[in-house]
Amino acid sequence: ETGVTQTPRHLVMGMTNKKSLKCEQHLGHNAMYWYKQSAKKPLELMFVYNFKEQTENNSVPSRFSPECPNSSHLFLHLHTLQPEDSALYLCASSQGSGVNTEAFFGQGTRLTVV
Amino acid sequence: AQTVTQSQPEMSVQEAETVTLSCTYDTSENNYYLFWYKQPPSRQMILVIRQEAYKQQNATENRFSVNFQKAAKSFSLKISDSQLGDTAMYFCAFMDYGGSQGNLIFGKGTKLSVKP
Repeated sequence: ETGVTQTPRHLVMGMTNKKSLKCEQHLGHNAMYWYKQSAKKPLELMFVYNFKEQTENNSVPSRFSPECPNSSHLFLHLHTLQPEDSALYLCASSQGSGVNTEAFFGQGTRLTVV
Repeated sequence: AQTVTQSQPEMSVQEAETVTLSCTYDTSENNYYLFWYKQPPSRQMILVIRQEAYKQQNATENRFSVNFQKAAKSFSLKISDSQLGDTAMYFCAFMDYGGSQGNLIFGKGTKLSVKP
């Protein structure tokens, strides 16, 4: 357990559904991230939040909507997804910048869009 | 744009033996960091080892060590005395100098199986 908790662990949703992924960290970090991990592809950084402010959006489709109400919580709201959005979604957190600041990852949410 | 390439999709090694995982990267930057992450079946991504590009000395963490060749843009991971618990996906990752830790560029990974 790294101190980053993601819920749910598994999620199956239809293309017309609306769901949310939750990430919580109890490490006192000020930066949080969403990554997408698809089969046979590198992890893709989706969103970055620093001190609750979104600092990066890597051309992610608008059907993915992040929310960071405070430095400890991060959400990913999902709506009208496509089957190709099925993947493992990983949340990570870190404290500040620099190489000695380790990124801690959650165990991910396995999302299947049917 | 930076890219990270792991050319070995899968590897296997006998318990107690040594294995080396390959990683190459492409960047025009001079200062950056490189990492190896391990992702076991539990899916939790765990940092194994890190290397600062400005350091010539190769990083070492217990049974894990790297061979960092900056000119060749190569960053291989050596696992000595392999253990069954080392079975996992291993990802090589790159980070710009000054970037926050989470802004990592990953390779596709190498699936390592340690056999008894």
